[in-house]
Amino acid sequence: NAGVTQTPKFRVLKTGQSMTLLCAQDMNHEYMYWYRQDPGMGLRLIHYSVGEGTTAKGEVPDGYNVSRLKKQNFLLGLESAAPSQTSVYFCASSYERTTGRVTNTGELFFGEGSRLTVL
Amino acid sequence: AQKITQTQPGMFVQEKEAVTLDCTYDTSDQSYGLFWYKQPSSGEMIFLIYQGSYDEQNATEGRYSLNFQKARKSANLVISASQLGDSAMYFCAMREAGLIYNQGGKLIFGQGTELSVKP
Repeated sequence: NAGVTQTPKFRVLKTGQSMTLLCAQDMNHEYMYWYRQDPGMGLRLIHYSVGEGTTAKGEVPDGYNVSRLKKQNFLLGLESAAPSQTSVYFCASSYERTTGRVTNTGELFFGEGSRLTVL
Repeated sequence: AQKITQTQPGMFVQEKEAVTLDCTYDTSDQSYGLFWYKQPSSGEMIFLIYQGSYDEQNATEGRYSLNFQKARKSANLVISASQLGDSAMYFCAMREAGLIYNQGGKLIFGQGTELSVKP
């Protein structure tokens, strides 16, 4: 019963280095998301995907790229890390739910978070 | 543009008392959903409660209830009989149904309220 799994949990990078965060979900959810959490700013959406092979920009996409080659995986890449990208990153997934009146998605299921520090 | 505002950065409550966490939102959509999440010090995001814009009754889940006032665009979380384990950060979030399929189920989050329960 894994749910949403993020790897790695912690990472320290030097400015200019690249890295990829991996998110995997085993709930067959269509939608997946990457958020970043910074003190006093809540969670802000970086990128999201509504299905395999599709991605879209969120509120703060600059400096990040994503890919959704398989339905269960959503990768977040930093090509050239900057200190401003020091943050806690959360992956989430959700499903489509029809209420009978409107089509709503259900709540987001979150991973445990990945703490990234860029020096 | 949709927006969520939580005006209380921090709150204190005595154990066994009730507490209300404020949340106001702004949207031009008629169909939307409101969520509350809890984030304890361990960092995971825990879904608490959901209210749909067309739901006529206020949502309740155990000790959690959502005081939904649509005309005032507020969705306050009420926690009854506070417990020490309720000490955490609480986030209000909103999702618009949207008219375009590829909007996905993304949530917009408020800045959060840190609740401390005193023994």
